[in-house]
Amino acid sequence: AQKITQTQPGMFVQEKEAVTLDCTYDTSDPSYGLFWYKQPSSGEMIFLIYQGSYDQQNATEGRYSLNFQKARKSANLVISASQLGDSAMYFCAMRDPFKIQGAQKLVFGQGTRLTINP
Amino acid sequence: DGGITQSPKYLFRKEGQNVTLSCEQNLNHDAMYWYRQDPGQGLRLIYYSQIVNDFQKGDIAEGYSVSREKKESFPLTVTSAQKNPTAFYLCASSINVLGGGDTQYFGPGTRLTVL
Repeated sequence: AQKITQTQPGMFVQEKEAVTLDCTYDTSDPSYGLFWYKQPSSGEMIFLIYQGSYDQQNATEGRYSLNFQKARKSANLVISASQLGDSAMYFCAMRDPFKIQGAQKLVFGQGTRLTINP
Repeated sequence: DGGITQSPKYLFRKEGQNVTLSCEQNLNHDAMYWYRQDPGQGLRLIYYSQIVNDFQKGDIAEGYSVSREKKESFPLTVTSAQKNPTAFYLCASSINVLGGGDTQYFGPGTRLTVL
């Protein structure tokens, strides 16, 4: 079964610094997808970035990039030039391809709480 | 604007009562999902639906029921059989493409508290 591990319960970073949030995954399927979501205190899950297992390049979306190391089974989120509004919970998730065709089940990690200090 | 709405935002229930959480989307997505989030935890899948009049159990379906009579609506009923229903409930939707890597988009959530 797929599993996502986020080992950093909390991180504190100074504003404008870059931050890396760790995510490791476990799967025996060669075809999978990895997602990062942001959850501010309001509770809504906001999609940030997606990486497919066959993608040749690391995904980037504005200030977000994904450091995808397939051999190490890691998919770390990098936020450049952090802002106060980046303070939130961040979740790594993996698409579980075996159990559903069509609808895509997501398996989530425990999350990392990121706090940006001014 | 296209999006997913959930209502109510906060819901209080007495023990032994059934309650229904609403989820509506106008994104024309085929697939819809219900997740549960407990404090300090990630999300766990309760039910999902690929198309109208079809739905499947997720990892923690016991004590919950759903219906999918319309493409845009996927209500979740928390029954009295659910032993510990106090949690944050999130609804999501995605385009249903077979074998595709479509992103799930989430609603704002409903916080359910059992008194």
